Formats: sequence, structure tokens, C-alpha cells
Amino acid sequence: GENVEQHPSTLSVQEGDSAVIKCTYSDSASNYFPWYKQELGKGPQLIIDIRSNVGEKKDQRIAVTLNKTAKHFSLHITETQPEDSAVYFCAATPYNNNDMRFGAGTRLTVKP
Amino acid sequence: NAGVTQTPKFQVLKTGQSMTLQCAQDMNHNSMYWYRQDPGMGLRLIYYSASEGTTDKGEVPNGYNVSRLNKREFSLRLESAAPSQTSVYFCASAGLASVDEQFFGPGTRLTVL
Repeated sequence: GENVEQHPSTLSVQEGDSAVIKCTYSDSASNYFPWYKQELGKGPQLIIDIRSNVGEKKDQRIAVTLNKTAKHFSLHITETQPEDSAVYFCAATPYNNNDMRFGAGTRLTVKP
Repeated sequence: NAGVTQTPKFQVLKTGQSMTLQCAQDMNHNSMYWYRQDPGMGLRLIYYSASEGTTDKGEVPNGYNVSRLNKREFSLRLESAAPSQTSVYFCASAGLASVDEQFFGPGTRLTVL
């Protein structure tokens, strides 16, 4: 099955700086890559996703890039704010497959 | 809309006890999922239900059973709890499949002594 690795496990940045989280996956059949944000005591919430037919997607301060050849994808957060502090998870799955695999998570801390 | 709701929020069991975790969604979603979350391991899929009346094993199904009671409800049962099942359990739902956005419930924190 799919194996997703995520780095770093913890990331601390100053408010206003950028943050980058990277994931690699093993199954070349995977073609849907969501990113989830989990705040303390809550369930994960989707913040952005990308499908294999595009290489980059942007939504305000958040962007995701995908390199299918190298089997890696990244989350970029610009102009970070304290409310961005949370645990972020990447995931991967093939289409028509309900068995989504998640990375181990990155704890992002944005210092005011 | 309440979204995805889970009960209970917290539970402590002794080894060998049984319990059922309840999940319900009011978004008319077809697919529902049960995950467990352990420190440093992300979320791992236990079971899923692609539609009412069907269930399938995920990555870590051993020690669990599920029931898709109707389109809204998907329960997870631990028949004989073990300390290794101490975890936070999340239920999620999606429109058609995992390629649609999954909406997660608030979680159940389970401790098995």
C-alpha cells in the first residue's frame, strides 16, 4: 500500500516568515493529495488539495506544489500568523480508492 | 448543520471490556471512515464504508468491527479492549470517496487500562 513520509516533524517560525512542509509518497498510482490542519482538541480540517493533473495550486497565503516524477509534494504558507500554529498532515490516495494514507504530521509554531 | 458528531468524547475502559463508538453525519454523504490517531503516527484508517450497506477494512482493522447502520450513522466496536487500542478515534465522512473532502468529527479519546 501507499506510504507517506512527512518532514519536518516540528517547525518553528517567526510571524511573517514562510513555512514549508514536505511529503513524499511511494505509490505511483496516487493522484489526489490533500493537506489537513488540526488545531488542539479538534478534528483535522482540509485546507487545500491538489490533483495530479496540475503542478501547483494556490489559495491566498497557502500553496501546494506537486512533482509526480519525484513523488513529492509540499505545502507553502507565506506571511505566517500566530493562528497558523497547528499540526499539519499531508495525505495521498489514488482515485476511486477510499484507503487514504496520511503523513505523521508537522507541528507548526508561529512565534509573535 | 452539525456536520460530523461523535459520542462519547472521552472513555476509560479496562482490558477486556467492550464498547461502541458512535458517529453520525448530517451532510447526506455516502462515504464514512474510522481513523485512529497515535502520537507520531498520523491518522491510520481502521474501516470505511463507501455506501450504505458496505464496509471494508483499512490499514489497521484488527480488534475492531463496524456497522453502517444507515446512511447517517457508522459505529465502531471494540469487542475486547486492549491497552494497544488506547488512542484518539476520529470519524469522517465524504461525498463520494476519499477523493472528495473528508469532514472529520471532534474525536473520542479512549484509554484502555
